[in-house]
Amino acid sequence: QQPVQSPQAVILREGEDAVINCSSSKALYSVHWYRQKHGEAPVFLMILLKGGEQKGHDKISASFNEKKQQSSLYLTASQLSYSGTYFCGTEPNGNQFYFGTGTSLTVIP
Amino acid sequence: GAGVSQSPSNKVTEKGKDVELRCDPISGHTALYWYRQSLGQGLEFLIYFQGNSAPDKSGLPSDRFSAERTGGSVSTLTIQRTQQEDSAVYLCASSSQTGGVDTIYFGEGSWLTVV
Repeated sequence: QQPVQSPQAVILREGEDAVINCSSSKALYSVHWYRQKHGEAPVFLMILLKGGEQKGHDKISASFNEKKQQSSLYLTASQLSYSGTYFCGTEPNGNQFYFGTGTSLTVIP
Repeated sequence: GAGVSQSPSNKVTEKGKDVELRCDPISGHTALYWYRQSLGQGLEFLIYFQGNSAPDKSGLPSDRFSAERTGGSVSTLTIQRTQQEDSAVYLCASSSQTGGVDTIYFGEGSWLTVV
């Protein structure tokens, strides 16, 4: 039930854009996105609910395609502070959450 | 409190001993989550509490793991007869979930090392 994330790793130059994808084999109730920096706890970015619209947070936004059971995280004009590992979390029902293996994002000057 | 508080922050225990990890969520948050993250690995969902509802325990990795939440606030994750593969950081998170799922806040984690 673990969602599959792609790519596994990406390196960007400051100002470039990136897309991180998350796919599930199960019908989803919601999708969460988190960013974790090395040695720190994950930080919640956003949640997208079934039937919800695309959400945005500063220059980071996400979409949720219920029919395809996929979500994408869009990072626009990346900043050095965006570096970290991004996890999607999927909720097939109201009681359990499954996290992807993560996407390592490195932004270089 | 100001944030999700977890204790202990670090615990080294001998194989076979029991450990208790505590999570104090943000005041007023009805939802509480436990996750585990092994070194260099992703997040593994363990259990989720919502209000006074009975939690779904099927995410717990074995019957040596148990969790409870008393009074809808503080939660304790107990690991009995610890094994070396239990070594990980155990993360707790909470959210308000009023009128829909709200922002989820993580604690700093309890780093468990079983020797």
